[in-house]
Amino acid sequence: RKEVEQDPGPFNVPEGATVAFNCTYSNSASQSFFWYRQDCRKEPKLLMSVYSSGNEDGRFTAQLNRASQYISLLIRDSKLSDSATYLCVVRSAAGNKLTFGGGTRVLVKP
Amino acid sequence: DAGVIQSPRHEVTEMGQEVTLRCKPISGHNSLFWYRQTMMRGLELLIYFNNNVPIDDSGMPEDRFSAKMPNASFSTLKIQPSEPRDSAVYFCASSLSSGVTGELFFGEGSRLTVL
Repeated sequence: RKEVEQDPGPFNVPEGATVAFNCTYSNSASQSFFWYRQDCRKEPKLLMSVYSSGNEDGRFTAQLNRASQYISLLIRDSKLSDSATYLCVVRSAAGNKLTFGGGTRVLVKP
Repeated sequence: DAGVIQSPRHEVTEMGQEVTLRCKPISGHNSLFWYRQTMMRGLELLIYFNNNVPIDDSGMPEDRFSAKMPNASFSTLKIQPSEPRDSAVYFCASSLSSGVTGELFFGEGSRLTVL
């Protein structure tokens, strides 16, 4: 089983709609969680951290469920510019090792 | 401010040749990571350094791969001899290990094609 697993998609989303997707992790001792965004042929960039109580950043909402070992990302009022691959990232309990999921591709269409 | 700088951006080489990828992390960052990205396997951590010391190299595929960090501002990833299955985008990233956000700053990547 992979350490971090994501539905690869693509999620085809009409502009203005809401889309949500999850990521599961295998190590229950994982310490920190993040969502990164990667545009086509570009490097990944941090989108947002994921806090235990859940957190919002504008149209983006991240949730953590430690009991079921998954995190989620919800995008409201999708924009064409939200089209990208969203990478789930988990930091190990020890050290500074960050493990990336395979990514979920989101395509927002007019 | 300069971000993570990688070179070369693109490299095309023939099987059996030596490949050296270079990385300059962001000044002041004390953790450096080498990742490899392919369509099939996604982003894989190859090795990471804290304060120039290799901490975890369990992701290095085999002995053909080696990485060094002789000082805080420079790292290399070497493949010798290269094989077609090494074709991928190799990313270098840096961070502050003590940073609360855990944000990794990636370079633009080195796209390697081995023929």
